[in-house]
Amino acid sequence: TQLLEQSPQFLSIQEGENLTVYCNSSSVFSSLQWYRQEPGEGPVLLVTVVTGGEVKKLKRLTFQFGDARKDSSLHITAAQPGDTGLYLCAGVAKKIWGQFYFGTGTSLTVIP
Amino acid sequence: GAGVSQSPSNKVTEKGKDVELRCDPISGHTALYWYRQSLGQGLEFLIYFQGNSAPDKSGLPSDRFSAERTGGSVSTLTIQRTQQEDSAVYLCASSSPGQGLKLFFGSGTQLSVL
Repeated sequence: TQLLEQSPQFLSIQEGENLTVYCNSSSVFSSLQWYRQEPGEGPVLLVTVVTGGEVKKLKRLTFQFGDARKDSSLHITAAQPGDTGLYLCAGVAKKIWGQFYFGTGTSLTVIP
Repeated sequence: GAGVSQSPSNKVTEKGKDVELRCDPISGHTALYWYRQSLGQGLEFLIYFQGNSAPDKSGLPSDRFSAERTGGSVSTLTIQRTQQEDSAVYLCASSSPGQGLKLFFGSGTQLSVL
């Protein structure tokens, strides 16, 4: 059962454009993470947001955790070809370890 | 080792055969996870080991799937009587208290069942 739905599933844009990826759930999470995965590799953690309403910026990437801690968004400004990859959100149900519930994934292609 | 190591990187097997997938976590990491990923899709949780606690097996799709972790380190995921729908990438991840909530993933094993 997928607890986290991502949209869009596929996204193909031109270099320099902006984009937003959404991660939605009916469940409340103690924190939420975003990972990027390149072909043939495992996912790599980009950011963890832990407070409802929190906004974090990582260079051209902006991450937001919803006030109700059920959803999140990832916004990329002026996309570069190096941003190409599969973006995965993951909800953490417990404060320390526990089960990480991964989203359905968004495949991003940035065309030079 | 420096990272999570998985072997083999690719495995082709015939329907009905048993397969074993291996995961070497980062030294000292007490938590170990197995996930399954179909082509370009999200990750499906399979099983989670934490220290000496009983593993969380709630994600295993059938009794053909089992996993063990020996000595709190290396883990083996076994799939018996493989079916074509078992074809996927099997990813292993590890973590530890000092890393907070960060999961470190291996590169995965691509399993193809013919």
